[in-house]
Amino acid sequence: SQKIEQNSEALNIQEGKTATLTCNYTNYSPAYLQWYRQDPGRGPVFLLLIRENEKEKRKERLKVTFDTTLKQSLFHITASQPADSATYLCALIHQTGANNLFFGTGTRLTVIP
Amino acid sequence: KAGVTQTPRYLIKTRGQQVTLSCSPISGHRSVSWYQQTPGQGLQFLFEYFSETQRNKGNFPGRFSGRQFSNSRSEMNVSTLELGDSALYLCASSLWSPGILEGYTFGSGTRLTVV
Repeated sequence: SQKIEQNSEALNIQEGKTATLTCNYTNYSPAYLQWYRQDPGRGPVFLLLIRENEKEKRKERLKVTFDTTLKQSLFHITASQPADSATYLCALIHQTGANNLFFGTGTRLTVIP
Repeated sequence: KAGVTQTPRYLIKTRGQQVTLSCSPISGHRSVSWYQQTPGQGLQFLFEYFSETQRNKGNFPGRFSGRQFSNSRSEMNVSTLELGDSALYLCASSLWSPGILEGYTFGSGTRLTVV
Protein backbone atom coordinates (compact mmCIF):
# COMPACT_ATOMS: atom_id res chain seq x y z
CA SER A 1 0.00 0.00 0.00
CA GLN A 2 1.05 3.59 -0.43
CA LYS A 3 3.07 5.14 2.36
CA ILE A 4 3.43 8.89 2.72
CA GLU A 5 5.96 10.46 5.04
CA GLN A 6 6.18 14.04 6.07
CA ASN A 7 9.51 13.79 7.70
CA SER A 8 9.17 16.66 10.13
CA GLU A 9 6.46 16.33 12.71
CA ALA A 10 7.12 19.89 13.81
CA LEU A 11 9.07 22.77 12.33
CA ASN A 12 9.84 26.11 13.99
CA ILE A 13 10.96 29.01 11.86
CA GLN A 14 11.66 32.71 12.33
CA GLU A 15 9.25 35.18 10.82
CA GLY A 16 10.35 36.35 7.39
CA LYS A 17 12.28 33.18 6.57
CA THR A 18 11.30 30.53 4.05
CA ALA A 19 9.68 27.40 5.46
CA THR A 20 10.32 24.19 3.53
CA LEU A 21 8.22 21.11 4.22
CA THR A 22 8.90 17.69 2.75
CA CYS A 23 6.58 14.94 1.59
CA ASN A 24 7.98 11.57 0.50
CA TYR A 25 6.01 8.66 -0.85
CA THR A 26 6.73 5.03 -1.64
CA ASN A 27 5.41 2.58 -4.18
CA TYR A 28 3.58 3.76 -7.23
CA SER A 29 3.67 7.36 -8.34
CA PRO A 30 0.65 9.55 -7.85
CA ALA A 31 -1.11 11.27 -10.67
CA TYR A 32 -1.75 14.30 -8.49
CA LEU A 33 -0.31 15.62 -5.30
CA GLN A 34 -2.01 18.21 -3.12
CA TRP A 35 -1.16 20.31 -0.10
CA TYR A 36 -3.61 21.34 2.60
CA ARG A 37 -3.46 23.54 5.66
CA GLN A 38 -5.23 22.55 8.86
CA ASP A 39 -5.82 24.69 11.91
CA PRO A 40 -6.71 23.14 15.31
CA GLY A 41 -10.29 21.90 15.47
CA ARG A 42 -10.94 22.68 11.82
CA GLY A 43 -11.02 20.74 8.58
CA PRO A 44 -8.11 20.92 6.14
CA VAL A 45 -8.11 23.74 3.61
CA PHE A 46 -6.90 23.07 0.07
CA LEU A 47 -3.85 25.10 -0.97
CA LEU A 48 -2.23 23.77 -4.12
CA LEU A 49 -2.39 20.87 -6.54
CA ILE A 50 0.42 19.66 -8.78
CA ARG A 51 0.22 17.02 -11.49
CA GLU A 52 2.81 14.34 -12.18
CA ASN A 53 3.96 16.06 -15.38
CA GLU A 54 4.48 19.41 -13.62
CA LYS A 55 7.72 20.29 -11.86
CA GLU A 56 6.61 23.36 -9.96
CA LYS A 57 3.51 25.33 -9.04
CA ARG A 58 3.24 28.73 -7.39
CA LYS A 59 0.50 30.66 -5.67
CA GLU A 60 1.37 33.96 -4.00
CA ARG A 61 3.95 33.10 -1.28
CA LEU A 62 3.51 29.36 -1.77
CA LYS A 63 5.54 27.09 -4.04
CA VAL A 64 5.26 23.34 -4.57
CA THR A 65 7.71 21.14 -6.41
CA PHE A 66 7.18 17.56 -7.50
CA ASP A 67 10.05 15.19 -8.26
CA THR A 68 8.76 11.82 -9.42
CA THR A 69 12.30 10.42 -9.59
CA LEU A 70 12.97 11.17 -5.94
CA LYS A 71 9.31 10.46 -5.07
CA GLN A 72 9.21 13.72 -3.21
CA SER A 73 7.31 16.97 -3.04
CA LEU A 74 8.59 20.12 -1.38
CA PHE A 75 6.29 22.85 -0.10
CA HIS A 76 7.74 26.30 0.44
CA ILE A 77 6.28 29.32 2.22
CA THR A 78 8.35 32.42 1.55
CA ALA A 79 8.40 35.48 3.83
CA SER A 80 6.67 33.41 6.51
CA GLN A 81 4.31 35.10 8.96
CA PRO A 82 2.95 34.02 12.37
CA ALA A 83 -0.44 33.59 10.66
CA ASP A 84 1.13 30.76 8.61
CA SER A 85 1.42 28.68 11.78
CA ALA A 86 -0.66 25.55 11.22
CA THR A 87 -0.36 21.88 10.30
CA TYR A 88 0.36 21.24 6.65
CA LEU A 89 -0.72 17.99 5.02
CA CYS A 90 0.31 16.49 1.73
CA ALA A 91 -2.06 14.16 -0.05
CA LEU A 92 -1.87 12.17 -3.22
CA ILE A 93 -4.23 10.42 -5.56
CA HIS A 94 -3.47 7.72 -8.07
CA GLN A 95 -4.97 7.61 -11.51
CA THR A 96 -5.91 3.99 -11.09
CA GLY A 97 -9.61 4.42 -10.68
CA ALA A 98 -9.39 4.76 -6.93
CA ASN A 99 -11.35 7.76 -5.81
CA ASN A 100 -9.67 8.78 -2.63
CA LEU A 101 -6.76 10.80 -1.36
CA PHE A 102 -4.00 9.31 0.76
CA PHE A 103 -2.85 11.82 3.37
CA GLY A 104 0.44 12.20 5.16
CA THR A 105 0.38 12.77 8.91
CA GLY A 106 1.30 16.40 8.58
CA THR A 107 3.96 18.86 9.69
CA ARG A 108 3.11 21.37 12.40
CA LEU A 109 4.68 24.67 11.43
CA THR A 110 5.24 27.41 13.99
CA VAL A 111 6.41 30.80 12.78
CA ILE A 112 8.06 32.71 15.59
CA PRO A 113 7.68 36.50 15.57
CA LYS B 1 -21.27 30.19 -1.53
CA ALA B 2 -21.95 28.14 1.57
CA GLY B 3 -19.26 25.69 2.60
CA VAL B 4 -19.50 22.07 3.64
CA THR B 5 -21.73 21.75 6.68
CA GLN B 6 -21.32 18.95 9.18
CA THR B 7 -23.66 18.29 12.07
CA PRO B 8 -23.37 17.92 14.93
CA ARG B 9 -20.04 19.56 15.77
CA TYR B 10 -19.56 17.60 18.98
CA LEU B 11 -20.98 14.32 20.16
CA ILE B 12 -20.48 12.15 23.23
CA LYS B 13 -21.68 8.56 23.05
CA THR B 14 -21.39 5.47 25.19
CA ARG B 15 -19.72 2.26 24.09
CA GLY B 16 -22.12 0.02 22.27
CA GLN B 17 -24.35 2.82 21.04
CA GLN B 18 -24.69 3.84 17.43
CA VAL B 19 -24.29 7.27 15.90
CA THR B 20 -25.25 9.06 12.68
CA LEU B 21 -23.30 12.01 11.35
CA SER B 22 -24.54 14.33 8.65
CA CYS B 23 -22.81 16.25 5.86
CA SER B 24 -24.22 18.79 3.43
CA PRO B 25 -21.77 19.40 0.57
CA ILE B 26 -21.30 22.58 -1.39
CA SER B 27 -24.23 23.14 -3.70
CA GLY B 28 -23.59 21.41 -7.02
CA HIS B 29 -20.91 19.11 -5.66
CA ARG B 30 -21.72 15.47 -6.32
CA SER B 31 -18.78 13.72 -4.69
CA VAL B 32 -18.75 13.35 -0.92
CA SER B 33 -15.96 11.61 0.97
CA TRP B 34 -15.61 10.79 4.63
CA TYR B 35 -12.39 10.66 6.62
CA GLN B 36 -11.51 9.75 10.17
CA GLN B 37 -8.76 11.77 11.82
CA THR B 38 -6.96 10.66 14.97
CA PRO B 39 -3.66 11.86 16.46
CA GLY B 40 -2.02 8.50 15.90
CA GLN B 41 -3.27 7.57 12.44
CA GLY B 42 -3.88 10.94 10.84
CA LEU B 43 -6.51 11.21 8.14
CA GLN B 44 -7.84 7.86 7.00
CA PHE B 45 -10.28 7.36 4.17
CA LEU B 46 -13.64 5.83 5.04
CA PHE B 47 -15.69 5.97 1.84
CA GLU B 48 -16.67 8.11 -1.10
CA TYR B 49 -20.09 8.62 -2.68
CA PHE B 50 -20.96 10.02 -6.06
CA SER B 51 -24.54 10.42 -7.24
CA GLU B 52 -25.84 8.19 -4.44
CA THR B 53 -23.41 5.36 -5.24
CA GLN B 54 -20.51 4.28 -3.07
CA ARG B 55 -17.52 4.30 -5.41
CA ASN B 56 -14.77 3.43 -3.01
CA LYS B 57 -14.37 2.19 0.54
CA GLY B 58 -11.45 2.32 2.92
CA ASN B 59 -10.19 -0.35 5.24
CA PHE B 60 -12.70 0.02 8.06
CA PRO B 61 -14.95 -2.62 9.63
CA GLY B 62 -18.54 -3.06 8.53
CA ARG B 63 -19.71 -1.11 11.58
CA PHE B 64 -18.93 1.97 9.52
CA SER B 65 -21.45 2.66 6.79
CA GLY B 66 -22.73 5.58 4.83
CA ARG B 67 -25.16 6.73 2.23
CA GLN B 68 -25.84 9.65 -0.04
CA PHE B 69 -29.19 11.15 -0.89
CA SER B 70 -30.42 12.52 -4.19
CA ASN B 71 -29.61 16.07 -3.07
CA SER B 72 -25.99 14.93 -2.46
CA ARG B 73 -26.29 15.22 1.31
CA SER B 74 -24.56 12.33 3.00
CA GLU B 75 -24.72 10.51 6.29
CA MET B 76 -22.36 8.12 7.93
CA ASN B 77 -23.31 5.67 10.62
CA VAL B 78 -21.20 3.86 13.15
CA SER B 79 -22.82 1.01 15.03
CA THR B 80 -21.68 -0.67 18.23
CA LEU B 81 -19.32 2.14 19.12
CA GLU B 82 -15.90 1.35 20.57
CA LEU B 83 -13.58 3.61 22.53
CA GLY B 84 -11.22 3.61 19.56
CA ASP B 85 -13.85 5.25 17.39
CA SER B 86 -13.25 8.52 19.20
CA ALA B 87 -12.00 10.84 16.48
CA LEU B 88 -12.69 13.85 14.32
CA TYR B 89 -14.87 12.76 11.41
CA LEU B 90 -14.43 14.93 8.36
CA CYS B 91 -16.58 15.21 5.30
CA ALA B 92 -15.20 16.57 2.05
CA SER B 93 -16.93 17.47 -1.17
CA SER B 94 -15.80 18.11 -4.71
CA LEU B 95 -17.47 18.69 -8.03
CA TRP B 96 -16.49 15.51 -9.82
CA SER B 97 -13.79 13.02 -8.99
CA PRO B 98 -12.56 13.76 -5.53
CA GLY B 99 -10.02 16.48 -5.46
CA ILE B 100 -8.37 15.81 -8.78
CA LEU B 101 -8.90 19.15 -10.41
CA GLU B 102 -9.82 21.52 -7.65
CA GLY B 103 -9.01 19.88 -4.34
CA TYR B 104 -11.43 18.88 -1.65
CA THR B 105 -13.50 21.30 0.37
CA PHE B 106 -13.70 19.98 3.90
CA GLY B 107 -16.23 20.65 6.59
CA SER B 108 -15.17 21.53 10.13
CA GLY B 109 -15.84 17.98 11.24
CA THR B 110 -17.74 16.20 13.97
CA ARG B 111 -15.77 15.50 17.12
CA LEU B 112 -17.00 12.15 18.41
CA THR B 113 -16.04 11.02 21.90
CA VAL B 114 -16.92 7.50 22.98
CA VAL B 115 -16.94 6.91 26.74
